[in-house]
Amino acid sequence: DIQMTQSPSSLSASVGDTVTISCRASQTVSNFLNWYQQKPGRAPTLLIYIVSNLYSGVSPRFSGSGSGTEFTLTINDLQPDDFATYYCLQSYRTPRTFGQGTRLEI
Amino acid sequence: EVKLVESGGGLVHPGGSLNLSCEASGFSFSGSAIHWVRQSAGKGLEWIGHIRSKTNSYATVYSESVKDRFTISRDDSKNTAYLLMNNVKADDSAIYYCSRHISVAGLDVWGQGTTVAVSS
Repeated sequence: DIQMTQSPSSLSASVGDTVTISCRASQTVSNFLNWYQQKPGRAPTLLIYIVSNLYSGVSPRFSGSGSGTEFTLTINDLQPDDFATYYCLQSYRTPRTFGQGTRLEI
Repeated sequence: EVKLVESGGGLVHPGGSLNLSCEASGFSFSGSAIHWVRQSAGKGLEWIGHIRSKTNSYATVYSESVKDRFTISRDDSKNTAYLLMNNVKADDSAIYYCSRHISVAGLDVWGQGTTVAVSS
């Protein structure tokens, strides 16, 4: 199975900051890498697909980059609504595997 | 509006069975693959399997953790996918989500989840 490792596991930031979350794959996932946001008690929502494509309705303050095994989610100008947990997901190989999550706290 | 609604969760004894449903609306259900993902309390997300469309022979794939115990099926006439859970264990306690897969964006829309608790 492809292991997905996110760093950091948790992150403290302030409104207006820019933060970066990393996701590393144990082997190449090509460009089959998505990012999700999850708020407490809610289902995950798609932010970024195929590494860097912004999903419909998602703020352009979110961006993604990377290739192969190293990927990054960047959130610019943090807003109160952004404080949540973020997950990467590879869909290059079955089983699909998620990163362990990064909790973004105020 | 594209929507998925899970139901059927509840309390089940170890070794018992439970059948979850995922009802879809607002899109072409018959042409979409449906995935199931679970999340144990306070934990991360775990992909457990999917079922593809009729065009792809309703092919199913499962994670090792549920293979041979769980079965994913679908009824396109009812726009509904199912997750039959047999021989459940305490580790199967989780919120179960279904999600639509589209070719470009992958798992784009998720249901609100249904909670399964395995306890004697």
